[in-house]
Amino acid sequence: EAGVAQSPRYKIIEKRQSVAFWCNPISGHATLYWYQQILGQGPKLLIQFQNNGVVDDSQLPKDRFSAERLKGVDSTLKIQPAKLEDSAVYLCASSADSRYNEQFFGPGTRLTVL
Amino acid sequence: RKEVEQDPGPFNVPEGATVAFNCTYSNSASQSFFWYRQDCRKEPKLLMSVYSSGNEDGRFTAQLNRASQYISLLIRDSKLSDSATYLCAVNEGGGFKTIFGAGTRLFVKA
Repeated sequence: EAGVAQSPRYKIIEKRQSVAFWCNPISGHATLYWYQQILGQGPKLLIQFQNNGVVDDSQLPKDRFSAERLKGVDSTLKIQPAKLEDSAVYLCASSADSRYNEQFFGPGTRLTVL
Repeated sequence: RKEVEQDPGPFNVPEGATVAFNCTYSNSASQSFFWYRQDCRKEPKLLMSVYSSGNEDGRFTAQLNRASQYISLLIRDSKLSDSATYLCAVNEGGGFKTIFGAGTRLFVKA
């Protein structure tokens, strides 16, 4: 079974530029998550989708971050404009059952904002 | 108080040792609990899920204490390959978000 796919794996941009990340979850997984993980910290949930609806986006900085999950499968996360403090690893995860929430993570995108 | 707190670590143990990590959570309504392992510059990987009082998988045992609101992870007969960061995660159930702790670093030395 293929795992969660993410691209790109690495991205370096300058502040105020925009960037987009892509995620393809495990086939059949209805729930998709985007996390931000800053060095030395645990993953912080940015947004959670159930199929193509948003379940939780309370910690998403909506003035600069946006995410969508069209057709309930792939998802994109965008940052515009980026700030220095957005430098982090952006992890996508999926789960089959939102009730128990066993999540499987993709390899992440390491973003550096200069 | 943080929603999910873990022992700060790092834990430095010799091969063959038994080591235990604790994780406390603040929301008494939390329903499911997880331990993830994260290697350096890699993604977290699910190690164990805990839904009732505990779970055991080989050298790894997780226990849940709802009264005191903590879960623990016990690793017996530590191997060099167990060196990693162990993340505790807590979910309130019903599709609510999962909150991760900051992780505990373990170094197992020969």
